[in-house]
Amino acid sequence: DAKTTQPTSMDCAEGRAANLPCNHSTISGNEYVYWYRQIHSQGPQYIIHGLKNNETNEMASLIITEDRKSSTLILPHATLRDTAVYYCTLPGGGYQKVTFGIGTKLQVIP
Amino acid sequence: DSGVTQTPKHLITATGQRVTLRCSPRSGDLSVYWYQQSLDQGLQFLIQYYNGEERAKGNILERFSAQQFPDLHSELNLSSLELGDSALYFCASSVAWTSYEQYFGPGTRLTVT
Repeated sequence: DAKTTQPTSMDCAEGRAANLPCNHSTISGNEYVYWYRQIHSQGPQYIIHGLKNNETNEMASLIITEDRKSSTLILPHATLRDTAVYYCTLPGGGYQKVTFGIGTKLQVIP
Repeated sequence: DSGVTQTPKHLITATGQRVTLRCSPRSGDLSVYWYQQSLDQGLQFLIQYYNGEERAKGNILERFSAQQFPDLHSELNLSSLELGDSALYFCASSVAWTSYEQYFGPGTRLTVT
């Protein structure tokens, strides 16, 4: 998997938008960006993925820069239940596996 | 709720023993993946099955084996257990065999004493 870098931790006030950045400067032309999150000791949860256009679903929005070297996951109105570790990943390489780096620990504060 | 079910939720066993973990994928999903997550190793891909056939193998030990049955549920068998096998074991499923949009179950926490 291509390397991604994310901040180790972030805080966000409840009700505000949480913007989680990810750098993936070595991304190749056909690699998708995937976002997952993991609430403590629960199974990872798929959030969203994208190639080059911005994407939105019921959980979040994904903004990918034009050069595709970075992206931002946006949770529009963070709740306490959004407290989790968020992983940005570029899966690929033949195995259909999802791998995670360290991720960003998002703490939503009341 | 992802729609993926795993049993049991917790398992405590002794070294040298054998255990079986069970997974039922989401309705309609043909692909099943097994992952191991321990504190020092992160999420490790073990093996993937698609419609009953093994499709990809990751860092799975020879003491571990898996299968997917005609009803698409899957079992992960762990034998000659060691203390280091203590971990969370997750099953995930997806519609296609090439999908990274995977839906994870709640996991089985295995403790080997």
